[in-house]
Amino acid sequence: SQQGEEDPQALSIQEGENATMNCSYKTSINNLQWYRQNSGRGLVHLILIRSNEREKHSGRLRVTLDTSKKSSSLLITASRAADTASYFCATFTGGGNKLTFGTGTQLKVEL
Amino acid sequence: ETGVTQTPRHLVMGMTNKKSLKCEQHLGHNAMYWYKQSAKKPLELMFVYNFKEQTENNSVPSRFSPECPNSSHLFLHLHTLQPEDSALYLCASSQDRTNEKLFFGSGTQLSVL
Repeated sequence: SQQGEEDPQALSIQEGENATMNCSYKTSINNLQWYRQNSGRGLVHLILIRSNEREKHSGRLRVTLDTSKKSSSLLITASRAADTASYFCATFTGGGNKLTFGTGTQLKVEL
Repeated sequence: ETGVTQTPRHLVMGMTNKKSLKCEQHLGHNAMYWYKQSAKKPLELMFVYNFKEQTENNSVPSRFSPECPNSSHLFLHLHTLQPEDSALYLCASSQDRTNEKLFFGSGTQLSVL
């Protein structure tokens, strides 16, 4: 069964606006990661947040993790057209060292 | 550039063909992975190699055959594929199997006619 599920499936915003994507998961995790994928390309690791952390920042990215609700959010501030991509959350569970991906959020940032 | 190179970028093959996908990583990693990405579906982990040994096979049909001759190279041999095997095949590597962060190649877009 799917571990991570992103919401919304698609998001369209104007350049300069903030973009928020959410991820929900089902089982206990060691950490949660966010990846970005440009159309037809490989995934690029953006940020990792561990289960004992609540918030993490990296440049224009802000990730939160609520283990009681089994959910995470990715905020991209002051979005740019170049941020147009699909964004995936992935949960890492220690048992079996499994990294499981969701179906992604397609973000489109328009000029 | 992530340090993981996949060739070819695109591949069209008939159901009776035999072809191979190649992945090479220049990061000194010890774990390598094959993922399948189909439209509207989560990434599917196919195979995992750790220090050249296969440690995971997620019930992948035998028409997909992986090979890992050394820690830097990973192949996926394809034969008698089906149209539903058309997808983006992604190779990834990590420091080792316990390291959580993956580095992906750009993928091979496979079309089976």
